[in-house]
Amino acid sequence: KQEVTQIPAALSVPEGENLVLNCSFTDSAIYNLQWFRQDPGKGLTSLLLIQSSQREQTSGRLNASLDKSSGRSTLYIAASQPGDSATYLCASRGSTLGRLYFGRGTQLTVWP
Amino acid sequence: EAGVAQSPRYKIIEKRQSVAFWCNPISGHATLYWYQQILGQGPKLLIQFQNNGVVDDSQLPKDRFSAERLKGVDSTLKIQPAKLEDSAVYLCASSSWTSGGDNEQFFGPGTRLTVL
Repeated sequence: KQEVTQIPAALSVPEGENLVLNCSFTDSAIYNLQWFRQDPGKGLTSLLLIQSSQREQTSGRLNASLDKSSGRSTLYIAASQPGDSATYLCASRGSTLGRLYFGRGTQLTVWP
Repeated sequence: EAGVAQSPRYKIIEKRQSVAFWCNPISGHATLYWYQQILGQGPKLLIQFQNNGVVDDSQLPKDRFSAERLKGVDSTLKIQPAKLEDSAVYLCASSSWTSGGDNEQFFGPGTRLTVL
């Protein structure tokens, strides 16, 4: 069974900082890995999806990398803003029709 | 394009009562998922449908939970009878499906259930 761990559990930074969120998974035979954002009382918004054959994906100020051999993914947020405050979840998928295995998330607070 | 719709958004019931949640996926999406998210944890898959059929229900507590997907579109998830530990957010997600494709999952806003 896939186990997904996210470190740190919580992070508080001043506006403008660059930051890295970490995700590790036990089974390297993944199909893809997805990063989500969850705002309080809301559902999940997909940020980036990395296929197993890819090394990274970028969207605006966000960059996600994937290292299957070490079982790790990182989400890099450049020039953080207060609007980035949310919980960030990573999830791995083992096959094209398989379920997502989620970590517990990193709660990010960016203060002005 | 309309997103995944869920109702109700909030529900408060007493233990041993019954409750039902409804989900309308994105139009044309063949795959539908129900996840349970307990406070402070990541979502956990309860059941996955591919069109009308169940693909994975291995983590569904079948003695109290049931789900159906009518005509391969809308879905309902029912809990009967509810327990205190069922307090959670129930998330519905859908995806299109192509062999070898991303099959990215899109999530609804969730239903927050409180069992007293």
